[in-house]
Amino acid sequence: RKEVEQDPGPFNVPEGATVAFNCTYSNSASQSFFWYRQDCRKEPKLLMSVYSSGNEDGRFTAQLNRASQYISLLIRDSKLSDSATYLCVVILYNNNDMRFGAGTRLTVKP
Amino acid sequence: DAGVIQSPRHEVTEMGQEVTLRCKPISGHNSLFWYRQTMMRGLELLIYFNNNVPIDDSGMPEDRFSAKMPNASFSTLKIQPSEPRDSAVYFCASSLRDRGYNEQFFGPGTRLTVL
Repeated sequence: RKEVEQDPGPFNVPEGATVAFNCTYSNSASQSFFWYRQDCRKEPKLLMSVYSSGNEDGRFTAQLNRASQYISLLIRDSKLSDSATYLCVVILYNNNDMRFGAGTRLTVKP
Repeated sequence: DAGVIQSPRHEVTEMGQEVTLRCKPISGHNSLFWYRQTMMRGLELLIYFNNNVPIDDSGMPEDRFSAKMPNASFSTLKIQPSEPRDSAVYFCASSLRDRGYNEQFFGPGTRLTVL
């Protein structure tokens, strides 16, 4: 079983749609969780951290379910510029060893 | 401010040749990471350094791969001899390690093709 698993997609949605991605992780000792965004042929960049209480940043909402060992990312009112691959990232406590999911590809169409 | 700098941006070489990838982390950062990304395997951590010391190299695929960090502003990833299956994008990232997690900033990557 992979340490971090994501649905690779692709997700093809129209502008304005709401789309959600899930990610599961295998190590119950994992303490920190993030979503990174990677544009085509570019480097990954941090999108947002994921906190136990859930957190929101504009149109983006991230949630963590420790009991079920999954995290989610919700994008509301999707824009063309949201088209990218979204990487789920998990690290162990006090350890900079990041484990990336394979990524979920999103295409937002006009 | 300059971000993470990697060179070369593209490298095409023949099987059996030595390849050296270079990375300059963000000034002041004390952790440096090397990743490899392929369509089949996604983004994989190869090795990381804290304060120039290798901490975990368990991701290095085999003895053909080696990484060094002689000082805080420079690191290399070397493949010798290179093989076609080494073709991938290699990313270097740096962060300022504090207690807990600190955001990693990625360089633009080196796209390696081994013929």
